[in-house]
Amino acid sequence: DIIMTQSPLSLPVTLGQAASISCRSSQSLVDNDGNTYLNWFHQRPGQSPRRLIYKVSNRDSGVPDRFSGSGSGTEFTLKISRVEAEDVGIYYCMQGTQWPLTFGPGTKVEVK
Amino acid sequence: QVHLQESGPGLVKPSETLSLTCTVSGYSIFSGYFWGWIRQPPGKGLEWIGHMYHSGNTYYNPSLKSRVTISIPTSKNQFSLDLDSVTAADTAIYFCVRYNAGSLDYWGQGTLVTVSS
Repeated sequence: DIIMTQSPLSLPVTLGQAASISCRSSQSLVDNDGNTYLNWFHQRPGQSPRRLIYKVSNRDSGVPDRFSGSGSGTEFTLKISRVEAEDVGIYYCMQGTQWPLTFGPGTKVEVK
Repeated sequence: QVHLQESGPGLVKPSETLSLTCTVSGYSIFSGYFWGWIRQPPGKGLEWIGHMYHSGNTYYNPSLKSRVTISIPTSKNQFSLDLDSVTAADTAIYFCVRYNAGSLDYWGQGTLVTVSS
């Protein structure tokens, strides 16, 4: 199985400031088809996760452009350019390159 | 817009079978994509359970494979999850999801299943 790790696990942020979450995989996420299936999800308390980013850097429809994804191989980053109050919650990375699908442990973002 | 909705008992006794159904609207599960389940123990992270294609192809988490069945039980636009021989460790919020090219693009709202006598 591919193991996903995230850092930090807790991220206190100041509204309006930038934030960054790192995700690493235990092996390369580049698939045989050349794609890299690394996803980012955001989960607010009491809600189901919502996909923000797929294939490393593609934002879903309706996701604000303050969210951006980057990376390659085994190291990936989610950046929030200016954190807003609605951005609090837990962020998960997930790899879809290989079965079984695996998630990172989550990064809890909260306002300082 | 694709919508998924879980249904089933909220309480299951230890050693019994947990059975859930996901009703899909806005897209026919017989038209394509993989359909499956994710679970989340209270206050913890996400765990992939498995996925199936309407033709019958399935992929299961090896850690649960011996106890899990994901199937399409009827001609309705629904798919189901059966998890046998449950214990307290199976207490979780269960989400049904659509798998699309290495990602999970649609999620149900989730349903809490508690395993307790």
